Amino acid sequence: DVKVTQSSRYLVKRTGEKVFLECVQDMDHENMFWYRQDPGLGLRLIYFSYDVKMKEKGDIPEGYSVSREKKERFSLILESASTNQTSMYLCASSSPEEGGKLFFGSGTQLSVL
Amino acid sequence: GQQLNQSPQSMFIQEGEDVSMNCTSSSIFNTWLWYKQDPGEGPVLLIALYKAGELTSNGRLTAQFGITRKDSFLNISASIPSDVGIYFCAGQLSSNYQLIWGAGTKLIIKP
Repeated sequence: DVKVTQSSRYLVKRTGEKVFLECVQDMDHENMFWYRQDPGLGLRLIYFSYDVKMKEKGDIPEGYSVSREKKERFSLILESASTNQTSMYLCASSSPEEGGKLFFGSGTQLSVL
Repeated sequence: GQQLNQSPQSMFIQEGEDVSMNCTSSSIFNTWLWYKQDPGEGPVLLIALYKAGELTSNGRLTAQFGITRKDSFLNISASIPSDVGIYFCAGQLSSNYQLIWGAGTKLIIKP
């Protein structure tokens, strides 16, 4: 069964902390994505990557960075967490041939206090 | 970033009712997709549409790719309790281009 695994379901951090959200996929997909989901706003793309060591900004990259050192792993980094980054974070992957068919992880609910 | 116009935002329905929701855009898309998110989980792909006018079914779900390529519709027949969740539409300009998402339709079944 194909799988995208996010390291934490729930995370509570303090303002100013550096936060790492990890995502691993076992489908050998080239494409990986980080979204945040807020009520009424749907899914907003933060960063994406089409290959190892490659990254592209999405619609809301401010305050975030990413790392893709290995094909199966895509990390989202909050350099200095702020309260407005409290949200649900979703990781997804896809193949280039079927780029629209995204496989999502279960999400990480991050609370920044 | 661009977002699709998805409606309604939420629906309160009785078990057994049919459900309709739609998405519209000012842009033309080559692919339309419908995802469902169960509570506490990530979205899962329900139906993908690749051709204008295409009508595709997945069990009790039927989706259509609008003729103008600027809209899509999802219908659910005879709703059951496990249909609750958030339904998202997404459009794609070309095969490996990032998706443009609707804000979601939250489906709630009245007890």
